[in-house]
Amino acid sequence: GAVVSQHPSWVICKSGTSVKIECRSLDFQATTMFWYRQFPKQSLMLMATSNEGSKATYEQGVEKDKFLINHASLTLSTLTVTSAHPEDSSFYICSASPGAGRETQYFGPGTRLLVL
Amino acid sequence: QKEVEQNSGPLSVPEGAIASLNCTYSDRGSQSFFWYRQYSGKSPELIMSIYSNGDKEDGRFTAQLNKASQYVSLLIRDSQPSDSATYLCAVNRVRGNEKLTFGTGTRLTIIP
Repeated sequence: GAVVSQHPSWVICKSGTSVKIECRSLDFQATTMFWYRQFPKQSLMLMATSNEGSKATYEQGVEKDKFLINHASLTLSTLTVTSAHPEDSSFYICSASPGAGRETQYFGPGTRLLVL
Repeated sequence: QKEVEQNSGPLSVPEGAIASLNCTYSDRGSQSFFWYRQYSGKSPELIMSIYSNGDKEDGRFTAQLNKASQYVSLLIRDSQPSDSATYLCAVNRVRGNEKLTFGTGTRLTIIP
């Protein structure tokens, strides 16, 4: 149980294009989903917290107009990197939490983004 | 002071020995504690959760929590080369809010 999927697993795009990453909880309903970014040999950095049906809460320093998050259902959240630039190249990982007082986060396999 | 602190390592342990990973946290009101394992190039994988003082065992893994001293540890018995990874300690500081605060991780290497 507690399986989270991400799609795509990797993407290469040209500078200036937008990239959408999907995060799905496959066998549970996720009231809350989280988006992280991780650069090589660095720790996880939380970008935003996404609650179903409401606006995402972004961490300090994360541009909400650049990283658009939509949590349309209890099993799906999407992250769109708009007008991507080479410095946005990173490993993007989502996690999902069943909520209801259970704070465990289950991570997706991650999406590796390379912006040329 | 960092909210969640871990020794970055690397920690080298001979195969078959016990690996001991430690984590301290600053917020005394923290409620829930987690250990994740992250292999190079992969996403974190949940190993253990612990909520009460004392020990919690799951196979070769034992999590230990001491809220008075504000530390949580992970013991890995009979260490295997496949245990070589970065281990992340995570703390939930607000009950009902699923946001976790992560340490920077300890890199563990099991030497055959």
